Amino acid sequence: AQSVSQHNHHVILSEAASLELGCNYSYGGTVNLFWYVQYPGQHLQLLLKYFSGDPLVKGIKGFEAEFIKSKFSFNLRKPSVQWSDTAEYFCAVYNAGNNRKLIWGLGTSLAVNP
Amino acid sequence: DAGITQSPRHKVTETGTPVTLRCHQTENHRYMYWYRQDPGHGLRLIHYSYGVKDTDKGEVSDGYSVSRSKTEDFLLTLESATSSQTSVYFCAINDRGPTYEQYFGPGTRLTVT
Repeated sequence: AQSVSQHNHHVILSEAASLELGCNYSYGGTVNLFWYVQYPGQHLQLLLKYFSGDPLVKGIKGFEAEFIKSKFSFNLRKPSVQWSDTAEYFCAVYNAGNNRKLIWGLGTSLAVNP
Repeated sequence: DAGITQSPRHKVTETGTPVTLRCHQTENHRYMYWYRQDPGHGLRLIHYSYGVKDTDKGEVSDGYSVSRSKTEDFLLTLESATSSQTSVYFCAINDRGPTYEQYFGPGTRLTVT
């Protein structure tokens, strides 16, 4: 079965630290890749997406992610986190065989200490 | 925002009672989804719809049914609520474009006592 793995379940950082959250998927064909963010008490919002072209994609709030096809990875990065980045982050994958359903990782909880 | 509302936003109900959650969209999207979110389980798909009267099961559909009689409304019914169905329920719609991202409603927090 197709799956998405997020290796870090809980991450604690201090403000200004750099962030990298891992995401690996199991499907070998053409994929669309997403990172979503969920701030405390809120719904999921799209942070960034990849579907073709430049494998380094930039999203909102200074986040970026790199698609490495050979590693089946789509890691999320931010050079300097802020307290307001405290949230849950979800990686998701779409492929053409899924009838418009996304495969979701379990999420990574990020806490940024001021 | 993607023009998705959910009602009610909060509900407390007793075990054994039926509960219906509503998702309403103003975007005329064909695809709609119901998820539940629980700590340690991430998002799990309950049911989804690919058009009026066209629905299919997700990975955790037992104890849930759905209906979609109009494009804009997707209803989720817990036929006889159990404590294990205490959760936050999110509705989502699928973007029309080629990239397949989903947009989420604000969620419904359901507590079954």
